[in-house]
Amino acid sequence: AQKVTQAQTEISVVEKEDVTLDCVYETRDTTYYLFWYKQPPSGELVFLIRRNSFDEQNEISGRYSWNFQKSTSSFNFTITASQVVDSAVYFCALSETFGGNEKLTFGTGTRLTIIP
Amino acid sequence: DADVTQTPRNRITKTGKRIMLECSQTKGHDRMYWYRQDPGLGLRLIYYSFDVKDINKGEISDGYSVSRQAQAKFSLSLESAIPNQTALYFCATSENAGLAGHEQFFGPGTRLTVL
Repeated sequence: AQKVTQAQTEISVVEKEDVTLDCVYETRDTTYYLFWYKQPPSGELVFLIRRNSFDEQNEISGRYSWNFQKSTSSFNFTITASQVVDSAVYFCALSETFGGNEKLTFGTGTRLTIIP
Repeated sequence: DADVTQTPRNRITKTGKRIMLECSQTKGHDRMYWYRQDPGLGLRLIYYSFDVKDINKGEISDGYSVSRQAQAKFSLSLESAIPNQTALYFCATSENAGLAGHEQFFGPGTRLTVL
């Protein structure tokens, strides 16, 4: 069965520091997708990125970057020069197609606090 | 206007009461989902529907039921609410895809408290 582990329950860093959020997954599929979502204090879930299992190229979007390594089943998320607005709970998620049905499994989330 | 809406946004009820949470979407997506979020547990799938005639149980469906009234509407019911159903509930939608991996779009959430 698919599983997503976010071992870091809470992280606090001082503003402008870099921070990496870890995500390790388990799946039996060769075709799957990985996601990151952000949940700010207001509670909504905001989609950040999707990566498919055939594309191991790292991605950078402004201060955000993602490192996908199939060899270690990891999809880590780094925020550079963190800002207070980055304070949120971040969820990693895995989607695989099993028996024709697509399901999304979430990790338990990492609460990130940026200290001004 | 929001693409995925949930009503009510907050609800306090008593043990044993029947509760319905409603979700509507204007995205034209075929697929709809209900999740609950509990502290430290992330989001867990309750039920999902890939089209109007399709209903599937998720990871934690006991104590819940759903109704897909139309492509745009997906309701979650608690027939007899109990305190451990106190949680934040999210509705989500996604495209019906030949390829897996379309992102899910979430509603704003419904905070339910069962006393």
